[in-house]
Amino acid sequence: EIVLTQSPATLSLSPGERATLSCRASQNIDKYLAWYQQIPGQAPRLLIYHASNRATGIPARFSGSGSGTDFTLTISSLEPEDFAVYYCQQRNIWPITFGPGTKVDIK
Amino acid sequence: EVQLVESGGGLVQPGGSLRLSCAASGFTFGSFALDWVRQAPGKGLEWVANINQGGSGKEYLDSVKGRFTISRDNTKDFLYLQMDSLRAEDTAIYYCARDMTPVTRGWGSWGQGILVTVSS
Repeated sequence: EIVLTQSPATLSLSPGERATLSCRASQNIDKYLAWYQQIPGQAPRLLIYHASNRATGIPARFSGSGSGTDFTLTISSLEPEDFAVYYCQQRNIWPITFGPGTKVDIK
Repeated sequence: EVQLVESGGGLVQPGGSLRLSCAASGFTFGSFALDWVRQAPGKGLEWVANINQGGSGKEYLDSVKGRFTISRDNTKDFLYLQMDSLRAEDTAIYYCARDMTPVTRGWGSWGQGILVTVSS
């Protein structure tokens, strides 16, 4: 099973600041890494697929990079609605696994 | 508009059974693999099971193998999850999910989720 490690566990930032979230895989997952945003009480929302492709309707302030074992989600300038939990997910090998999440909260 | 609507959740005793359904609309159902994903209260996301477009290929999380069965009806546009021998640790919100496109590995559509509580 591929283990995904996310850092930091919590990121405390102010609106307008840049957020950088990391996801590391225990083995090579090529480009098959997705990022999801989850607001409490809601289903997750796909932000990024295949490491760097924005999903339909996702604002340009969200970007993803990386391949192999190290991946990054960047939010260039935080909007109030971006304060949420972010999960990475690998889709290269069964079973599909998720990271434990990074909570982005308001400083 | 793509819609996925789960039903069939509720309270069940340990060792009991429950069948979840996911009604799909707004897309060509048989063109997409589908997944069940769960989230225990206050915890992270956990993939549970996957079924391919035709229903012949299935994958499961190790901890549910032999207890859960995923299936689909491509004539009625329904996805199912039969859950037997339920345990307290199966308590979670269960979501059905679909990739954004048939060749994209990213769940672009999710249901609203249905709560399953396993407790005596």
